[in-house]
Amino acid sequence: SQTIHQWPATLVQPVGSPLSLECTVEGTSNPNLYWYRQAAGRGLQLLFYSVGIGQISSEVPQNLSASRPQDRQFILSSKKLLLSDSGFYLCAWRSYRATNEKLFFGSGTQLSVL
Amino acid sequence: AQSVAQPEDQVNVAEGNPLTVKCTYSVSGNPYLFWYVQYPNRGLQFLLKYITGDNLVKGSYGFEAEFNKSQTSFHLKKPSALVSDSALYFCAGRSGGYQKVTFGTGTKLQVIP
Repeated sequence: SQTIHQWPATLVQPVGSPLSLECTVEGTSNPNLYWYRQAAGRGLQLLFYSVGIGQISSEVPQNLSASRPQDRQFILSSKKLLLSDSGFYLCAWRSYRATNEKLFFGSGTQLSVL
Repeated sequence: AQSVAQPEDQVNVAEGNPLTVKCTYSVSGNPYLFWYVQYPNRGLQFLLKYITGDNLVKGSYGFEAEFNKSQTSFHLKKPSALVSDSALYFCAGRSGGYQKVTFGTGTKLQVIP
């Protein structure tokens, strides 16, 4: 069966520090991968998505970047965090096969930038 | 550009009563529509989806949703609400052939005992 791992669960970082959040998927190949941010427990904002190794689509210009160094690994990074980067970050994957359309979400990372 | 709207920030319903959580979409071509539920400090869980076929879609935990093309809506429904249904509900959509999945702003469902 497929599983998605996202870590850490919580993170407190000072303004100006770097960030690296990691997401890995097991039990599937060539997944579509997504990073979402949820601010104040409400709407989900799509940050990045990837359909393959090294292929990253950015939805919103911001202080963050994403990379996909391996098929089932998706990393969210920042060189210098801002206060506005605080939020709940969710990684998700979806099978590329048309018969299976739903997203599977990780358990999320609560990031607090102080 | 595709978009999904959830016009209600919060819906309150008494336990045992029917519930409806509203969603409208703007997606080019044939829409793929979804409902997800989120419990506090957790990731989202899939409830149901509409890809093609019957307009009434049945999903997990007794939920169902009705696809209405003329009104571009995909409202979530349940005949009898439970207190345990209290959570944050998200509608999502994408156009066939595209990878981007767009979510609504979420509706908090509060079921009152």
